[in-house]
Amino acid sequence: DAGITQSPRHKVTETGTPVTLRCHQTENHRYMYWYRQDPGHGLRLIHYSYGVKDTDKGEVSDGYSVSRSKTEDFLLTLESATSSQTSVYFCASNRDRQETQYFGPGTRLLVL
Amino acid sequence: EDKVVQSPLSLVVHEGDTVTLNCSYEVTNFRSLLWYKQEKKAPTFLFMLTSSGIEKKSGRLSSILDKKELFSILNITATQTGDSAVYLCAVEYLSEETSGSRLTFGEGTQLTVNP
Repeated sequence: DAGITQSPRHKVTETGTPVTLRCHQTENHRYMYWYRQDPGHGLRLIHYSYGVKDTDKGEVSDGYSVSRSKTEDFLLTLESATSSQTSVYFCASNRDRQETQYFGPGTRLLVL
Repeated sequence: EDKVVQSPLSLVVHEGDTVTLNCSYEVTNFRSLLWYKQEKKAPTFLFMLTSSGIEKKSGRLSSILDKKELFSILNITATQTGDSAVYLCAVEYLSEETSGSRLTFGEGTQLTVNP
């Protein structure tokens, strides 16, 4: 498995507070992705990055922003968390678009 | 709208049984279809399929793609309790909006193998 870690692994927060999730990879992968996984929806892409400071929106990007200042780190920020953002968040990365994506261990976020 | 549909959503079998999981898709600019196994953690990669009719095998697991009928199957023979997991199908396609490739996932099939 690629060296991908996520932090925190679990978080409980209150509605309206900002939250930042971190994804860190040690594989020098160019591409990184943030997904959320919810019952009945499977994995859905939030944002992705195709290089340092190069990011783009996925299918469920509203309410989320991302930043990538270094190759190894991809941050997902919920500016003002809502209960609908309670989910499990997965980060993934790959070296090339044609390669399979390798997933991090996930972050469970509960917004009360 | 691009979509990936897996069936069944849930399946319970006994050890030793053979199971077939289905994945159908509707996407434009198809590039590949991937299968993942997800236990109580992150999805792990099983297969990537890009060509029709070529079976990929790994131990007791095998998969094949039909690009004409737009579906794939994942077979598991002689199932074991350790095969219990959610099996995810994902389709990679070229996004016209961004000219980059995207993955769309199905909901997954929850497989439970009882001893």
